[in-house]
Amino acid sequence: DAGVTQSPTHLIKTRGQQVTLRCSPKSGHDTVSWYQQALGQGPQFIFQYYEEEERQRGNFPDRFSGHQFPNYSSELNVNALLLGDSALYLCASKPGQAVGYGYTFGSGTRLTVV
Amino acid sequence: AQSVTQPDIHITVSEGASLELRCNYSYGATPYLFWYVQSPGQGLQLLLKYFSGDTLVQGIKGFEAEFKRSQSSFNLRKPSVHWSDAAEYFCAVGGNNAGNMLTFGGGTRLMVKP
Repeated sequence: DAGVTQSPTHLIKTRGQQVTLRCSPKSGHDTVSWYQQALGQGPQFIFQYYEEEERQRGNFPDRFSGHQFPNYSSELNVNALLLGDSALYLCASKPGQAVGYGYTFGSGTRLTVV
Repeated sequence: AQSVTQPDIHITVSEGASLELRCNYSYGATPYLFWYVQSPGQGLQLLLKYFSGDTLVQGIKGFEAEFKRSQSSFNLRKPSVHWSDAAEYFCAVGGNNAGNMLTFGGGTRLMVKP
């Protein structure tokens, strides 16, 4: 059973560019969240998608946006990249909305902004 | 606002020795508590979770954690550490009051001496 799949695994972008990261949730999971993990820090919640709608958002600017597709996969878009956006971006999925299920995390996308 | 504090940034233990990683949380209602482990360059793997009931929770890889409401703590323990346990450990809190987001601590990096 495949877990959470993220692509690409690594990428390098130039300041000011835009980037799209992709996530396929674990089979049977319909809720997807995105987290940003800066080097040496714990993950920080960006937003969550359920039924193709953004349900909750963390303290991130509008440059960060997302989408969820009918097959539950998701994209994270970041516009006007800043050097400070360099981080590991983690996708997590779970079945349903209840927080008690606990998330399954992917291996992440390492974004470097130069 | 919810928060998690992991007071120890780095811990070094000898292989075979016991381990305790500390976690203190702040949450305004009944918390859902999690411990995740992250190996270098990898995503997060769920070790265990606590919602209610028995305050001593058993997880994977021989780990356990004890919820102490009076101390707002959820410390992770293992009686005998193996070299393969070297990794970063994250404590996280969530709950119905917070929607579906998890708030993570800053992590504790565990090193294991042979």
